[in-house]
Amino acid sequence: QVQLVQSGAEVRKPGASVKVSCKASGYTFSGYYLYWVRQAPGQGLEWMGWLNPHNGGTNYAHKFQARVTMTRDTSISTAYMELNSLTSDDTAVYFCTRIGSIAAYDAWGQGTLVTVSS
Amino acid sequence: QSALTQPASVSGSPGQSITISCTGTSSDVGGYHYVSWYQHFPGKAPRLILYDVSDRPSGVSDRFSGSKSGNTASLTISGLQTEDEADYYCCSYTTSNTFYVFGTGTKVTVL
Repeated sequence: QVQLVQSGAEVRKPGASVKVSCKASGYTFSGYYLYWVRQAPGQGLEWMGWLNPHNGGTNYAHKFQARVTMTRDTSISTAYMELNSLTSDDTAVYFCTRIGSIAAYDAWGQGTLVTVSS
Repeated sequence: QSALTQPASVSGSPGQSITISCTGTSSDVGGYHYVSWYQHFPGKAPRLILYDVSDRPSGVSDRFSGSKSGNTASLTISGLQTEDEADYYCCSYTTSNTFYVFGTGTKVTVL
């Protein structure tokens, strides 16, 4: 079955960077766009950007454009989201998700809690 | 790309029906049949409960139903149960280069 498995929780100091991984299984990794979405405490789902695993193409939300990088390693069916210059406002649960053959997010990673604290 | 508009909260008693609206524009909700809904318990992964406006993935209760009129989509939960207490998000395909846009989210409370 389709699975997205993310890396574990991270704690960072302000100004640092974090890199979250998302390993896909059960489907052809390069065939479906992967999206990154986050939820800060008490807030709604926030779209961060997408990655085309086939060619590495990306599109980032304007809010994150200057400090987010989404990459992939097709040899291990894994996508990465790196966020730089962290502040306390980046404390959130980060999810990877894919748009499947239906026009909907049909599979989600379990989420990765990133805590930014001095 | 602005988020789709949902009511912040909706409540109902067990057994009742509630409806959550999701309002967008002709560039998203009104222009395409690609509206989906997600049930989300905070800290957990969101769960797809409806796609293509009104289709249910396998395993989703038929108490969840969807519709669309113009630029507004709706999720109806019939026979409300305590286990339905969660946050619900709509999502639509959009002409924006983000491809998809979420709603602002609705907290459902079972009284």
